[in-house]
Amino acid sequence: EIVLTQSPAFQSVTPKETVTITCRASQNIGSALHWYQQKPDQSPKLLIKYVFESISGVPSRFSGSGSGTVFTLTISSLEAEDAAAYYCYQTSGIGLPSFGQGTKLEIK
Amino acid sequence: VQLVESGGGLVQPGGSLRLSCAASGFTFSTLGLSWVRQAPGKGLEWVSSIANDGTTYYADSVKGRFSISRDNSKNTLYVQMNSLRAEDTAVYYCVVATEWWSRLDYWGQGTLVTVSS
Repeated sequence: EIVLTQSPAFQSVTPKETVTITCRASQNIGSALHWYQQKPDQSPKLLIKYVFESISGVPSRFSGSGSGTVFTLTISSLEAEDAAAYYCYQTSGIGLPSFGQGTKLEIK
Repeated sequence: VQLVESGGGLVQPGGSLRLSCAASGFTFSTLGLSWVRQAPGKGLEWVSSIANDGTTYYADSVKGRFSISRDNSKNTLYVQMNSLRAEDTAVYYCVVATEWWSRLDYWGQGTLVTVSS
């Protein structure tokens, strides 16, 4: 099974900063990696699909990159509304789908 | 797209519960559907998926205890949960993927299942 490890688990940042969240896969998963945002008491929301492909309605300050085993989600010019938990999710077909353990982002 | 889960509640360890998810806004019979859960204060866990042809998949943690099914005539997804354990306590989300075995596009609001005596 593919294990996804996110780092950091928690980060506290100030508005207008740029933050990068990393997701490492235990095996090569190609580009089958997607990112989700979950705000408190809300359902998760798809942010990025297939590593870097944008989703309609998602602000352009969210971007993704990577391939194989290391992936990153970058949030530029952070806004207060970006306070949330972020999860990576793989659907490589190597075993079953799996999520990273999550990264909680706090905006100071 | 609208997904509305129901059927959650309090159940004793060893008990059973069936969750339902009423779907609308898309051609239900053509898409794959999944259940994802989130224990209180924890992260997301993929639980089970069912393809449009009825093929099913389960996480090891629920295999043999949970059964996913779909009724295309009622646009409804189900999960029958048996032999429930305390560690099954979670919010259960119904999710639809517009592309099979790919990202989970649309999520319901979730229904809470609490397993406790």
